[in-house]
Amino acid sequence: EVQLVESGGGLVQPGGSLRLSCAASGFTFSRSWMSWVRQAPGKGLEWVANIKQDGSESYYVDSVKGRFTISRDNAKSSLYVQMNSLRAEDTAVYYCARAASDLSGAFDVWGQGTMVTVSS
Amino acid sequence: EIVLTQSPTTLSLSPGESATLSCRASQSVSSYLAWYQQKPGQAPRLLIYDASNRATGIPARFRGSGSETDFTLTISSLEPEDFAVYYCQQRSNWPPITFGQGTRLDIK
Repeated sequence: EVQLVESGGGLVQPGGSLRLSCAASGFTFSRSWMSWVRQAPGKGLEWVANIKQDGSESYYVDSVKGRFTISRDNAKSSLYVQMNSLRAEDTAVYYCARAASDLSGAFDVWGQGTMVTVSS
Repeated sequence: EIVLTQSPTTLSLSPGESATLSCRASQSVSSYLAWYQQKPGQAPRLLIYDASNRATGIPARFRGSGSETDFTLTISSLEPEDFAVYYCQQRSNWPPITFGQGTRLDIK
């Protein structure tokens, strides 16, 4: 079964840091672009970052540039995002998602999400 | 940045009726547009990719159409499980990859 499972969410104070993980199974992780997408409570979807198959390229939405770092470990079939200098507006459910190369990069597999709450 | 504008914001229909959801891009995205369905407490699910191709396992009552800047998701003969929020998304000109703000499909 193709699956993504996120972990690492929780409550953090403004200015703090958190590292999210996403464990992939059921497909060849090293062949896929991977992304983080977030959803603030009651709001829509927002793409956060993505990373190329070999980790050589990564891209970010402007609001997290310089604060978030996406990375991957293909040997462990795992995706990560290190989130520093967290702000209240970063509060959201964070999903990892696979961009299917044969579907023009549409996100065809999603995790269940992990909640990040930034509050004092 | 390409802005996707979905309309209407909310659509109230009854089971058995047809739904027409619109997504307009601020500049051409060619056919690099996808549609997702999201139910409360769940992750989004891919319905349509490349504007008109159904993803694996998606029923034929879901049909995507359009190109360049104007796209439509049509759901014929609504089933109870179709009432959800629908998002369009583009990856033609990125970063950033962008989503529309969503259309909520409610039971009337």
